Amino acid sequence: SQELEQSPQSLIVQEGKNLTINCTSSKTLYGLYWYKQKYGEGLIFLMMLQKGGEEKSHEKITAKLDEKKQQSSLHITASQPSHAGIYLCGAAATDSWGKLQFGAGTQVVVTP
Amino acid sequence: DGGITQSPKYLFRKEGQNVTLSCEQNLNHDAMYWYRQDPGQGLRLIYYSQIVNDFQKGDIAEGYSVSREKKESFPLTVTSAQKNPTAFYLCASNKGWQGAVSNQPQHFGDGTRLSIL
Repeated sequence: SQELEQSPQSLIVQEGKNLTINCTSSKTLYGLYWYKQKYGEGLIFLMMLQKGGEEKSHEKITAKLDEKKQQSSLHITASQPSHAGIYLCGAAATDSWGKLQFGAGTQVVVTP
Repeated sequence: DGGITQSPKYLFRKEGQNVTLSCEQNLNHDAMYWYRQDPGQGLRLIYYSQIVNDFQKGDIAEGYSVSREKKESFPLTVTSAQKNPTAFYLCASNKGWQGAVSNQPQHFGDGTRLSIL
């Protein structure tokens, strides 16, 4: 099965600073989803990447999928308290889009 | 507004008891999923259903059962055979499993937290 490793496990960033989260796969990624979760709540869909080299942005969040399609990064510019939470990457397996594997998540804390 | 409703938000199970978690969606989605989330771990797939009256085991189906009698509903029963049921359970759905809609993102409910008494 596909293994997804997220790094870092957690990070503390001062408000206004940038941050980057990485998601690395042991196999080629056929679809990569980024979600955000607040503790004790469901997952909120952020972005989906499919093509090698693809980059998408929404407000101050940018996600990229590298050319080899084995790593994705999520970058937040000028972090705000609203960016605090757990960020998870999920990836589609080669034979079935429906069955997603998820990384363990990265907890982001934004300090004043 | 369309969405996924999970209930209850908190649930307690006694030894030897089966409990059922509810998941209802009004998004007209064909595919539905149940995940388990433990602290410091990612989501693990318990069961999934591609269409009404059909469902498949995920990676950790032992001790769980599901049904899919209606498109809108996909209840999960945690049986007494599940020896470590304490976890956060998430239900999700998306448009479909194959073809042009298969890569549509999964939408999630707000979860049910299950604990043992």
